[in-house]
Amino acid sequence: GDSVTQMEGPVTLSEEAFLTINCTYTATGYPSLFWYVQYPGEGLQLLLKATKADDKGSNKGFEATYRKETTSFHLEKGSVQVSDSAVYFCALNTNAGKSTFGDGTTLTVKP
Amino acid sequence: DTGVSQDPRHKITKRGQNVTFRCDPISEHNRLYWYRQTLGQGPEFLTYFQNEAQLEKSRLLSDRFSAERPKGSFSTLEIQRTEQGDSAMYLCASSLVTMDEQFFGPGTRLTVL
Repeated sequence: GDSVTQMEGPVTLSEEAFLTINCTYTATGYPSLFWYVQYPGEGLQLLLKATKADDKGSNKGFEATYRKETTSFHLEKGSVQVSDSAVYFCALNTNAGKSTFGDGTTLTVKP
Repeated sequence: DTGVSQDPRHKITKRGQNVTFRCDPISEHNRLYWYRQTLGQGPEFLTYFQNEAQLEKSRLLSDRFSAERPKGSFSTLEIQRTEQGDSAMYLCASSLVTMDEQFFGPGTRLTVL
């Protein structure tokens, strides 16, 4: 079945540091890939997505590129802020509609 | 607010009691999903509807769980004879059938004592 493996956390960075959160997947067919973010006390929000190989999703300074050859969708940001502290989930979605999520990576950014 | 709403936000119950949660999707969305999230894990798929038809149920959804979407709008998730292992956050999401991303509600946190 489909699965998503995320880099284990938690991740603690200083403000303005470079962020990478690794995500790899296993899926049948050609899934769409997503990063969702969950801020403390809030629901999951879509951060970015990519629907086919070599697509790059971007939003709020975050980027991720759909790499079919390595089945990866790593999340990056060049300069994190304290307000980026949250839990980040990598997910995939096939034509079946349901989404499969990784276990999440907790990011804490210190001033 | 036109997002996905869930009610209640928190529910504490005793083992063996029945509980029911409600989800109101974004109004024009024809797909509605239920997920369960336990501490330190990502959401796990439970079931989804397209309009009023329940199209898929996870093996996680034991016979104590039932979900309905009677008019293709709001949905309810009922858990009968709750167990401590049912303690989790229950998430609802909605989408259009033409979308691959889903829009999530704030969740209902269930605690079974």
